[in-house]
Amino acid sequence: GAGVSQSPRYKVAKRGQDVALRCDPISGHVSLFWYQQALGQGPEFLTYFQNEAQLDKSGLPSDRFFAERPEGSVSTLKIQRTQQEDSAVYLCASSKGLAGGQETQYFGPGTRLLVL
Amino acid sequence: GQQLNQSPQSMFIQEGEDVSMNCTSSSIFNTWLWYKQDPGEGPVLLIALYKAGELTSNGRLTAQFGITRKDSFLNISASIPSDVGIYFCAGAFIQGAQKLVFGQGTRLTINP
Repeated sequence: GAGVSQSPRYKVAKRGQDVALRCDPISGHVSLFWYQQALGQGPEFLTYFQNEAQLDKSGLPSDRFFAERPEGSVSTLKIQRTQQEDSAVYLCASSKGLAGGQETQYFGPGTRLLVL
Repeated sequence: GQQLNQSPQSMFIQEGEDVSMNCTSSSIFNTWLWYKQDPGEGPVLLIALYKAGELTSNGRLTAQFGITRKDSFLNISASIPSDVGIYFCAGAFIQGAQKLVFGQGTRLTINP
């Protein structure tokens, strides 16, 4: 498809389990972002990649959260030892990454994570 | 984390009415964006604003970048049923690819 895709769309995990969420950005997009959206709230920034380099991870809430983009395309957000407060929708967005440009971030449909 | 102050939180209007929502921040932003999110989907960009004082339209939507760079508003004229959804403002500190700071959202409900 032409848009950002995410998988799985829904994930139920038992507390303490590890989960991995996948994002396929728009082909050729240099920049990739992860956001966390709690119920009834706006998205909150987690981390940002430019190609394979993770340039900003200031929004990751704890060291249980880890993101990678090893080949500069697909990205995985991993959450270790999930807690109930990790329940949220995890959104991925990508943009062309034009230097100094007026960027548009295109969002995927999100992965809804429920930790029991 | 930081979020913008967006109001109102929800609106219930009749079809055909005009809608206005706004966003304020204690920080200066260099980019203001307005997104719409439908259930089960990611946000979709409606309007982007890059200059203080800028007024931009996209069909029935009009948005302005406040002169102080700390606020923005979105107007929707002659609302129709497909306008139902959650609208988010978002700010960015610099132009170019970087993280967005979002408001809490305005949920719009339209009575036919």
